[in-house]
Amino acid sequence: DADVTQTPRNRITKTGKRIMLECSQTKGHDRMYWYRQDPGLGLRLIYYSFDVKDINKGEISDGYSVSRQAQAKFSLSLESAIPNQTALYFCATSLPGGPNTGELFFGEGSRLTVL
Amino acid sequence: QKEVEQNSGPLSVPEGAIASLNCTYSDRVSQSFFWYRQYSGKSPELIMSIYSNGDKEDGRFTAQLNKASQYVSLLIRDSQPSDSATYLCAGTIYNFNKFYFGSGTKLNVKP
Repeated sequence: DADVTQTPRNRITKTGKRIMLECSQTKGHDRMYWYRQDPGLGLRLIYYSFDVKDINKGEISDGYSVSRQAQAKFSLSLESAIPNQTALYFCATSLPGGPNTGELFFGEGSRLTVL
Repeated sequence: QKEVEQNSGPLSVPEGAIASLNCTYSDRVSQSFFWYRQYSGKSPELIMSIYSNGDKEDGRFTAQLNKASQYVSLLIRDSQPSDSATYLCAGTIYNFNKFYFGSGTKLNVKP
């Protein structure tokens, strides 16, 4: 089983619908992230959390919200989905950074299509 | 200016050649740098990290960091068709709080 699990893996929805993407991890890492990937734009940070009580906005947080339900769970919500939120979404975890550390561990991705 | 910039490619090299991938970064991104490989439809995986000026070698891969010129490069020696993927450059800001990614360079290794 994957250490970082995302559900659903694929989702097609309509404009205006509420969507939740879930992420759970068994790595025991405190830091969790949500990224969005679009062709030609690389990975862009949506939200990140360094522990259960810590939530921070990333580069592109408008239209998204998150919930850190436990150390192992970090959910991303689209309250009212729009077509330009069609993308591949990745959850990632990491240990606290420092010299010779800082690796991100990615989930398998959730492909979202908004019609 | 984006924090981390890469040429999107595609970069095509023949099998057995050296592939050279480059990345530049802004003043904000100063701490550590990473190269991730991403196969089509898959998640990124870390292949190299570098924190100090100079070269770091790991098998067929060499990462080079030049902080004065603000660039990071990845050399892949004896390129194989299985190296065909998109390579993402990433950097962290002070205190490793965030990772910034470039848009990725697509590498094609032709048999």
